[in-house]
Amino acid sequence: GQNIDQPTEMTATEGAIVQINCTYQTSGFNGLFWYQQHAGEAPTFLSYNVLDGLEEKGRFSSFLSRSKGYSYLLLKELQMKDSASYLCAVIRERGYNKLIFGAGTRLAVHP
Amino acid sequence: DGGITQSPKYLFRKEGQNVTLSCEQNLNHDAMYWYRQDPGQGLRLIYYSQIVNDFQKGDIAEGYSVSREKKESFPLTVTSAQKNPTAFYLCASSPRPGQGPEQYFGPGTRLTVT
Repeated sequence: GQNIDQPTEMTATEGAIVQINCTYQTSGFNGLFWYQQHAGEAPTFLSYNVLDGLEEKGRFSSFLSRSKGYSYLLLKELQMKDSASYLCAVIRERGYNKLIFGAGTRLAVHP
Repeated sequence: DGGITQSPKYLFRKEGQNVTLSCEQNLNHDAMYWYRQDPGQGLRLIYYSQIVNDFQKGDIAEGYSVSREKKESFPLTVTSAQKNPTAFYLCASSPRPGQGPEQYFGPGTRLTVT
């Protein structure tokens, strides 16, 4: 089967650091995305990992371990506007990418 | 500005009626996709198209139909055969392989069927 697991909800304090984990078991793997989605809006791209290791982009970083089927998204210096759902998605097939999405992690940032 | 447009943002229909959701992109992307999003669930792939006049079923195609007569347009019809049509529908597009894997999403259409 194909499965992507993320925590359903997380809370954090403004200015803090939060790590959102994602584990996957898929029939194929050709990369992993993290998207941010505010309620009722379109997902927006945050990061893409295809090789093991850490990718840093400003306040956001994403890590991948293909051997463990594991990724995390790290958000630093949290701001209120970071309150959103964070979606982990795996590319199942090469070429035109067919994605399988996790259910998303709803992050609430409090003052 | 380049992007993906979906219209309308909110759509209401009576049970038993077919309804067509619009998706247009001016990004010159080859591939286009339709997803459905339900509360507490991840996005699920309904249909995708890699090229004009060609499309394939995704994971939950039953009760839906699509067409791809133009590169820019990929309309989705929700038929009366779809048992639970109320959902948030998202259209996406991506460039051809080798030009980046990212999928770009439209703003979505929230369909309510009563």
